[in-house]
Amino acid sequence: DQQVKQNSPSLSVQEGRISILNCDYTNSMFDYFLWYKKYPAEGPTFLISISSIKDKNEDGRFTVFLNKSAKHLSLHIVPSQPGDSAVYFCAASEFGGNTPLVFGKGTRLSVIA
Amino acid sequence: NAGVTQTPKFQVLKTGQSMTLQCAQDMNHNSMYWYRQDPGMGLRLIYYSASEGTTDKGEVPNGYNVSRLNKREFSLRLESAAPSQTSVYFCASSQSQTPIPYGYTFGSGTRLTVV
Repeated sequence: DQQVKQNSPSLSVQEGRISILNCDYTNSMFDYFLWYKKYPAEGPTFLISISSIKDKNEDGRFTVFLNKSAKHLSLHIVPSQPGDSAVYFCAASEFGGNTPLVFGKGTRLSVIA
Repeated sequence: NAGVTQTPKFQVLKTGQSMTLQCAQDMNHNSMYWYRQDPGMGLRLIYYSASEGTTDKGEVPNGYNVSRLNKREFSLRLESAAPSQTSVYFCASSQSQTPIPYGYTFGSGTRLTVV
């Protein structure tokens, strides 16, 4: 049973517009969430994270929103740039992070110039 | 550059052959992980080592064994490779099992094809 779900396999966005990537989770014990970015032929790299005690975390053009009641988080990229084209993975951990990360299937973002 | 180094980067095996994927980190991290990435399946945990001397199964451990050789090195062994093990394998490490706040550091991957 998939605990972390990214239901959109792909997303295309115009350069300069907002990209919104969504992630849902089923395990109510998850309390720490991360987004990773992956370019082809490279390993995933950490992008941004959020603890369940917060509902928003911002880092430059990237903002993650957490809605615990809906078990939903989203990553907003504003403005989107061609270099943002990559696969984005949502990941979650429970018990304050004392369990290995569980990843979603990923969403491929294409930013069109 | 400091980080996680995986060898080899590419490998083709025949069904039934064995091989060991190597992983080493130079960040003095305590915890290490092996994930596999398949199209449409995301990253799935094979095995992990929370600290030197310990290993635990992840979501998809069947067909694999691991060895935490020392604090730096964590190897993944396929004893009898099967076509279903064709995948990209990623090793990762973290200071502790807690991913707060920066998560894991990943290697660049090993692309394995079993024919």
